[in-house]
Amino acid sequence: GAGVSQSPSNKVTEKGKDVELRCDPISGHTALYWYRQRLGQGLEFLIYFQGNSAPDKSGLPSDRFSAERTGESVSTLTIQRTQQEDSAVYLCASSLMTGELFFGEGSRLTVL
Amino acid sequence: DQQVKQNSPSLSVQEGRISILNCDYTNSMFDYFLWYKKYPAEGPTFLISISSIKDKNEDGRFTVFLNKSAKHLSLHIVPSQPGDSAVYFCAASEASGSRLTFGEGTQLTVNP
Repeated sequence: GAGVSQSPSNKVTEKGKDVELRCDPISGHTALYWYRQRLGQGLEFLIYFQGNSAPDKSGLPSDRFSAERTGESVSTLTIQRTQQEDSAVYLCASSLMTGELFFGEGSRLTVL
Repeated sequence: DQQVKQNSPSLSVQEGRISILNCDYTNSMFDYFLWYKKYPAEGPTFLISISSIKDKNEDGRFTVFLNKSAKHLSLHIVPSQPGDSAVYFCAASEASGSRLTFGEGTQLTVNP
């Protein structure tokens, strides 16, 4: 596709369950980012992948959060033992080395 | 540590008037700044950017001003249109293509 694709668009889960969120970046984009936006708040950086470099994981809020990226393609964000405070819209973005990020529409996670 | 701050959570203007959205930053290493616009249920979309070697960048109705000494930037929209109603995020990075740090966002409402 032409844009960044994220799935699922909506996910409702019970507290304590694990969830996986997927991001398909724009083809050829070397950089991939995960952000989240909790209700009424701004965009919170989670993790950044750039080519073959070690990812910048400094934004991950706890060790329950992890992310992987296969080469310069798909990325998966995994949240283990979800908590209610994990409820948010999780946004993926990709870019070339220009600084302009192209965002997906996000995955809305609701933890009951 | 909020390195990028948008102190106004909301702004309301009349159609045809100027909208001015403000952003302050604390990290003196930031040298690339961007504005993103976000409609409900969509991912943010790139609007306009400016590098630290400039103090103004204009694109149609949108102009971004950068005051490095004050660590302040602003987005001017003139004339404002109802379709401009959205959340506007200011973002900054230490270099083009590196990790973006976002502000909390300002909800702009343009009234017909």
